[in-house]
Amino acid sequence: AQRVTQPEKLLSVFKGAPVELKCNYSYSGSPELFWYVQYSRQRLQLLLRHISRESIKGFTADLNKGETSFHLKKPFAQEEDSAMYYCALRGTGGFKTIFGAGTRLFVKA
Amino acid sequence: NAGVTQTPKFQVLKTGQSMTLQCAQDMNHNSMYWYRQDPGMGLRLIYYSASEGTTDKGEVPNGYNVSRLNKREFSLRLESAAPSQTSVYFCASSEGWEPADTQYFGPGTRLTVL
Repeated sequence: AQRVTQPEKLLSVFKGAPVELKCNYSYSGSPELFWYVQYSRQRLQLLLRHISRESIKGFTADLNKGETSFHLKKPFAQEEDSAMYYCALRGTGGFKTIFGAGTRLFVKA
Repeated sequence: NAGVTQTPKFQVLKTGQSMTLQCAQDMNHNSMYWYRQDPGMGLRLIYYSASEGTTDKGEVPNGYNVSRLNKREFSLRLESAAPSQTSVYFCASSEGWEPADTQYFGPGTRLTVL
């Protein structure tokens, strides 16, 4: 079954601390993986894509096919990183994006 | 560019009432989507339209219908609202149907069914 699991509903860290938001997936094939972010009172927006291998706002995510994981990392969290983060998977055919339940990140001063 | 717009932003319905959620995009995208977002469940796909003139069911289509009016507009209709349809509804669009195509989301419609 196709599934995206984000095991942490809530993650709270102090400003300047490293942060890792976990994402595990189940998919028979080679999916595309995404991280979306929703800041308070803003719409859901793309943070980064696996295929782009980019760093956005200091965040990176590495696809580990062996562990079927796509964890989101940032070495030094900032207060403005507080938001809801969703890991998503899109497979062949492209139409059906599967979202995880989301992780709410709080960065404390 | 306004991107993806949705109307209304908020709506309260009584059980059995009907309504249509409107969505429009000005990015000349081919594909459009409707999702619902429920606490602890992430976003679930209701219906999608790969291109103008086509629509298909997603993960949770029961109780909904859609219309791809033209390339810009994709509406979602609740014929007989039920409390289980209380949710936040998001419309999204993407340039195409490739797996790597980024989806752009609207601001959402918060619907309460009493």
